[in-house]
Amino acid sequence: GQNIDQPTEMTATEGAIVQINCTYQTSGFNGLFWYQQHAGEAPTFLSYNVLDGLEEKGRFSSFLSRSKGYSYLLLKELQMKDSASYLCAYMDSNYQLIWGAGTKLIIKP
Amino acid sequence: IAGITQAPTSQILAAGRRMTLRCTQDMRHNAMYWYRQDLGLGLRLIHYSNTAGTTGKGEVPDGYSVSRANTDDFPLTLASAVPSQTSVYFCASSDSPEDTQYFGPGTRLTVL
Repeated sequence: GQNIDQPTEMTATEGAIVQINCTYQTSGFNGLFWYQQHAGEAPTFLSYNVLDGLEEKGRFSSFLSRSKGYSYLLLKELQMKDSASYLCAYMDSNYQLIWGAGTKLIIKP
Repeated sequence: IAGITQAPTSQILAAGRRMTLRCTQDMRHNAMYWYRQDLGLGLRLIHYSNTAGTTGKGEVPDGYSVSRANTDDFPLTLASAVPSQTSVYFCASSDSPEDTQYFGPGTRLTVL
């Protein structure tokens, strides 16, 4: 199986903050990607981390700890349109993306 | 409109039939990829091409073949479709293998 893990489903309230975690194990690492995928649509790129720390992009932030094999995506001021699946993927030593199964985020009013 | 197009959008296919899924990008990206996406599983790489004229096998290549005759096109062929190939197929491209990948709209394939 894949050595990358993220929760299957999360629920949050409109206007709130949610953190989606992703853990991975690999000997070769060339960065961690987050994508958003609305139902029936293609994945769209959100963020990329290759160094430890936090990358902020508007309402979305992504964090990486390479020593812990851990990343999270933080979504602030949640809106109904944020209801989607969020996919994390690490890039291995061959520059191929290894994908988690995705976290389905449900936003409630 | 810049981006990646895929055809057909959806297809129902009888088992044993041959099928080619088309993918075209106009971003002049060097690298292209084919993934399948199944419920409960992450995207799985079928085949890839780092540059025109070269191809490589991904995680799940059996039953599929690809060609990369030019920069823009990367067709995926199922020589003899089987029901386990029922899936959503996404084509993606990136400027180089280490860059961000951008996805086409997908093809929903059902093999009966």
